[in-house]
Amino acid sequence: KAGVTQTPRYLIKTRGQQVTLSCSPISGHRSVSWYQQTPGQGLQFLFEYFSETQRNKGNFPGRFSGRQFSNSRSEMNVSTLELGDSALYLCASSAGREDEQYFGPGTRLTVT
Amino acid sequence: AQSVTQPDIHITVSEGASLELRCNYSYGATPYLFWYVQSPGQGLQLLLKYFSGDTLVQGIKGFEAEFKRSQSSFNLRKPSVHWSDAAEYFCAVGALTNAGKSTFGDGTTLTVKP
Repeated sequence: KAGVTQTPRYLIKTRGQQVTLSCSPISGHRSVSWYQQTPGQGLQFLFEYFSETQRNKGNFPGRFSGRQFSNSRSEMNVSTLELGDSALYLCASSAGREDEQYFGPGTRLTVT
Repeated sequence: AQSVTQPDIHITVSEGASLELRCNYSYGATPYLFWYVQSPGQGLQLLLKYFSGDTLVQGIKGFEAEFKRSQSSFNLRKPSVHWSDAAEYFCAVGALTNAGKSTFGDGTTLTVKP
């Protein structure tokens, strides 16, 4: 069974631009979570989607948004990029509410 | 609110020596507890998890962890470390019915000396 895939793997953007990251979960998994990982803040939860509905949200500004499609693929969008948004963005999928998460390799976003 | 503390930022052990990584959590109800490993530039790989039952949990790559409710701890152990174990290790806690929203510790970087 294929693992969680994230595209693109690397991205360089300029301040003020917007970016969309994509995540394809493991086949059959309906929950997708997004995390931001930075050296200073560690791993921080962004949001979780389950069956196309946002089920949980972390403490991030409204510039960070996401969605999930009927095939469970998910995208996250960051608008008006700031230098501090430079991070590794990790996506994780799980089969259901009580199941462990499996992580993708991440998208490395650099904002200049 | 749930939280996780990994007291050791960096640990160095010699190859073949035993390893214990500490993790303390704070959670108001029965927690789901996880240990993940991350190699540089990679995502996180699940080593083991505790949901309920036996408090000594076996994982992949020869790792085990023991859940101690009285100490709010979930320490990771390995009897004999290999050079390939050098990586960053994260402890995480999730809600019993909401594992999709996990809180992670700050991680412990393991260096293995030859």
